[in-house]
Amino acid sequence: GAGVSQSPRYKVAKRGQDVALRCDPISGHVSLFWYQQALGQGPEFLTYFQNEAQLDKSGLPSDRFFAERPEGSVSTLKIQRTQQEDSAVYLCASSLAVGSTDTQYFGPGTRLTVL
Amino acid sequence: AQSVAQPEDQVNVAEGNPLTVKCTYSVSGNPYLFWYVQYPNRGLQFLLKYITGDNLVKGSYGFEAEFNKSQTSFHLKKPSALVSDSALYFCAVRDRTGGSYIPTFGRGTSLIVHP
Repeated sequence: GAGVSQSPRYKVAKRGQDVALRCDPISGHVSLFWYQQALGQGPEFLTYFQNEAQLDKSGLPSDRFFAERPEGSVSTLKIQRTQQEDSAVYLCASSLAVGSTDTQYFGPGTRLTVL
Repeated sequence: AQSVAQPEDQVNVAEGNPLTVKCTYSVSGNPYLFWYVQYPNRGLQFLLKYITGDNLVKGSYGFEAEFNKSQTSFHLKKPSALVSDSALYFCAVRDRTGGSYIPTFGRGTSLIVHP
């Protein structure tokens, strides 16, 4: 069956450009997470959605980062005025329900390079 | 606060030998523990999780992990390594207290299995 998909897989942006990263979770999954993975590090939490509600955005590093999930399925992570320190792999994960024991299923990630 | 330590950046093992990838954790309450594997240019794939019950958890691809509360550890093991097991392995923890849904990941351990 279809897993979590993300697009684009690779994105190169000039410093100061805005970018939008898309996540298509597994159909029917209630929970959706965004993570940032820097080179040589583990994923770091950015934000969490339960259906269309953004319940936690405590991990977003600045107000240049914005995420939405308007219809409770597809989600978009937007970064405005990109900076070099934004270069990382952005991972999306979804899980079926809302329990803290639920398994998260990850997409392949979007590798963002800011020049 | 919750944290995870993976003390080894890299583990080398010969094919056919047993492997261990170490993970220790810190939570204020009781933990939920997870192991994920990441292949190059791929997202994280779930291997196994400890929720409650039997301290020995069996997962995908012949992997298992043992929860040791006194040592606050959750080491990943496999009796006989395959070259195809070579990948990046991440341990993650969620604090059961309060039902936190945000996991904290370790930095990852690169497993290299030599033919």
